[in-house]
Amino acid sequence: EDQVTQSPEALRLQEGESSSLNCSYTVSGLRGLFWYRQDPGKGPEFLFTLYSAGEEKEKERLKATLTKKESFLHITAPKPEDSATYLCAVALSGGSYIPTFGRGTSLIVHP
Amino acid sequence: DADVTQTPRNRITKTGKRIMLECSQTKGHDRMYWYRQDPGLGLRLIYYSFDVKDINKGEISDGYSVSRQAQAKFSLSLESAIPNQTALYFCATSDGDRNTEAFFGQGTRLTVV
Repeated sequence: EDQVTQSPEALRLQEGESSSLNCSYTVSGLRGLFWYRQDPGKGPEFLFTLYSAGEEKEKERLKATLTKKESFLHITAPKPEDSATYLCAVALSGGSYIPTFGRGTSLIVHP
Repeated sequence: DADVTQTPRNRITKTGKRIMLECSQTKGHDRMYWYRQDPGLGLRLIYYSFDVKDINKGEISDGYSVSRQAQAKFSLSLESAIPNQTALYFCATSDGDRNTEAFFGQGTRLTVV
């Protein structure tokens, strides 16, 4: 059973159509939740770290939030250049803080 | 120059051949990781190292071995490559003391024919 589940697997949006991506985790001892962006054929690029429930981080059109069981990546008025795969990872105290990744959400934004 | 450098970027090899993927970093981090990425399966951990003398298996270590030659260098070997090891491989580093994010290399696309 996956410890980190991302939904949806794929998302198609029109430019300007806001939406949210979900990352849920089924483990305790969370020591950090990380969001990454990955472009095709490239390495994941760090976006945000969230450490405690209620925390929020923002960067341009992206906003990440964290509750005790899930995180959301909100995309406001997306542009075609926001098209990418978005990965979520958790670091657990029982797992020596090694990042464990979800399977990602593939986002396509149409002009 | 990239903080985490992987070589080669692309490699095609034959079944049964030994192959080594190399990773070097200039971040000064103690922790280094090797992940494998397959379509629809996300990033899966192969091996990780907390320092030069501390190397550990990840969830999918069978068929792989690693060597931590120095704090900055961590190589992954496929002793006898097989076609289902065809994948995109990533090296990553992180600062264990600060529990901050991991930094990734650009990846090595490996094809075993």
